[in-house]
Amino acid sequence: EVHLVESGGGLVQPGGSLRLSCVASGITVSSVYMNWVRQAPGKGLEWVSNVNSGGSTFYADSVKGRFTISRDNSKNTLYLEMNILRGDDTAVYYCAAGQFEYWGQGTLVTVSS
Amino acid sequence: QAVLTQEPSLTVSPGGTVTLTCGSNSGTVTSGHHTYWFQQKPGQAPRALIYSTNNRHSWTPARFSGSLLGGKAALTLWGAQPEDEADYYCLVWYSGLGVFGGGTKLTVL
Repeated sequence: EVHLVESGGGLVQPGGSLRLSCVASGITVSSVYMNWVRQAPGKGLEWVSNVNSGGSTFYADSVKGRFTISRDNSKNTLYLEMNILRGDDTAVYYCAAGQFEYWGQGTLVTVSS
Repeated sequence: QAVLTQEPSLTVSPGGTVTLTCGSNSGTVTSGHHTYWFQQKPGQAPRALIYSTNNRHSWTPARFSGSLLGGKAALTLWGAQPEDEADYYCLVWYSGLGVFGGGTKLTVL
């Protein structure tokens, strides 16, 4: 059975940084597409970033240059390093794997002073 | 970056049929865009229903089908059930970048 567990969310001031983690079990993060998707409170879904099995990475325009996706194969963990955070980055951040068959429960990031 | 447009809200009667669409301001949505469809209920993570335009996951009820219709991606629900009331989102790929539609709130009433 596949499980994805996100962590690392919390309250951060504008301009600050945060690193999210997504620990996977039952699936190998280096073998499938791994995505980050976010959802602002009361709003729709927004695709943020992904990394494919070959290691190529892609970013939404809204986060390009500020966020970095990476993975640690030894820990079977996906990361999202978020810098220069803004108020509109406030959202629940989900990791999703493969053909989006598998989702974590999400972790809330709040950017506020 | 493309903008995808979905119907903000739709209502279907129990047992009825409804089609949700996903159009792009960048032009026709084709099979090459590998459209996904997701269902999301309040307080829950999204659940994938359709991938690559028209492929169901093993857990997707057969009453859901994906297609291309009039230059848009479409999700048709045949024989709506009360448990199908939810938000539905499309996701389209543009050269490795994903774009979600704004979502459709489906009411079964």
